[in-house]
Formats: sequence, C-alpha cells, structure tokens
Amino acid sequence: AQSVTQLGSHVSVSEGALVLLRCNYSSSVPPYLFWYVQYPNQGLQLLLKYTTGATLVKGINGFEAEFKKSETSFHLTKPSAHMSDAAEYFCAVGGATNKLIFGTGTLLAVQP
Amino acid sequence: KAGVTQTPRYLIKTRGQQVTLSCSPISGHRSVSWYQQTPGQGLQFLFEYFSETQRNKGNFPGRFSGRQFSNSRSEMNVSTLELGDSALYLCASSLDDRGSYEQYFGPGTRLTVT
Repeated sequence: AQSVTQLGSHVSVSEGALVLLRCNYSSSVPPYLFWYVQYPNQGLQLLLKYTTGATLVKGINGFEAEFKKSETSFHLTKPSAHMSDAAEYFCAVGGATNKLIFGTGTLLAVQP
Repeated sequence: KAGVTQTPRYLIKTRGQQVTLSCSPISGHRSVSWYQQTPGQGLQFLFEYFSETQRNKGNFPGRFSGRQFSNSRSEMNVSTLELGDSALYLCASSLDDRGSYEQYFGPGTRLTVT
C-alpha cells in the first residue's frame, strides 16, 4: 500500500524567502515520487519527478526536491519565492503503474 | 504539441441524471487516467485505460465507468448522479502504463450536481 503525508495545509512565505514544502511517503515497493502544482481553476502541472538515479531532482521554475529513503521524505524547495509561486502544491507517489496517490495539498501564499 | 483537452469544461446536472465526460490525450500517448478532486476527499484515482483496456481501478462505485477508443481518446460516465459527485474531474495522459513516465493533466471538467 502507498500513502503520502503533506505537513502543513497552508504555508506563507515572504517574497524572496526560502520555500520548503514537506512530503513524507509510505510505499511497499520502490516509489516513484512527483510534485505537481495547481493554479486556481486549472489542472495539475508537473514540477518534477523522481524515479531512479540521482536523489536530488531539479524541476521547472527553480524548484528542486531531494529523495531521502532513510527518512521516507521528498521535500520540495525553492531558494527564493516569487509572487507567481502562489498556488497549491501536491506531492504524489506511484509505482509500476500510472495510479498516483496524492497528498492533501499545501496552499502556498507569497507575501510581498 | 497540443496538451490534454477535456470537454466540456463546466457541466450542471440534476441528481439522478447521467453524464459523460471526454478526454483527448496528447498525441502519441496511449494511457489515460481519471481522477476526482473534491475539497473533502482531495485527489482520488478513478481508473486508467491503456490500449483500450482498463488497467487499474480505484475505489469508486460501479456508477462510475469509462472506456477508451482506438485513437486513445477516453470517456468517463457517471450514472444516477448524486450530490456528492460534484467535483473537478481531471484526466491525465502518459506515453505508456509503466508509472515512470510523466503524466500530463488536462484542465478538468467541473461537474455540479443539483
């Protein structure tokens, strides 16, 4: 069975500050891990994914995430927040199929 | 390349009716998955189709069904609508069904049941 926990349903940062969104997963098989972003009234956009290989994954818009097997974590970071980063972020876990299990989401607010 | 398209974008139905939603995947993609998004339950997997065959199914009642055509376009159908079926329905397409490929989501169909 697979599951995802996103700590913090709401996160607020100042423009220019570090963004850290937390994701912990549980999986009985080697996981594939994904971060998606959703803007209001839109679908999900893939930010980055981890399947195998390098544990530090770089994505679009300056985001990156590190797969830490020992901590079962896949936290999303961005060194400097921009106003346009305000959105809802979802962590998801998958495996050998396309079925994704999503976390409950973190709504990121960026203050000027 | 055109992205994933979903029609219609918005739909209002009455309890007890049925509804069909359509999803056109990215050209060349053979896998289409459907998800339901609600404020209370979040994003939940409905089912996946690959090469016209259902590969995976989530924990939804039999009122939810789907199919995929030979051109990879997919439809999902909900019969005997209930108020709780009000949600954003998202479809995602992928090159194949092995899980490691990116899944690209459409803009969704917002279904309101009154």
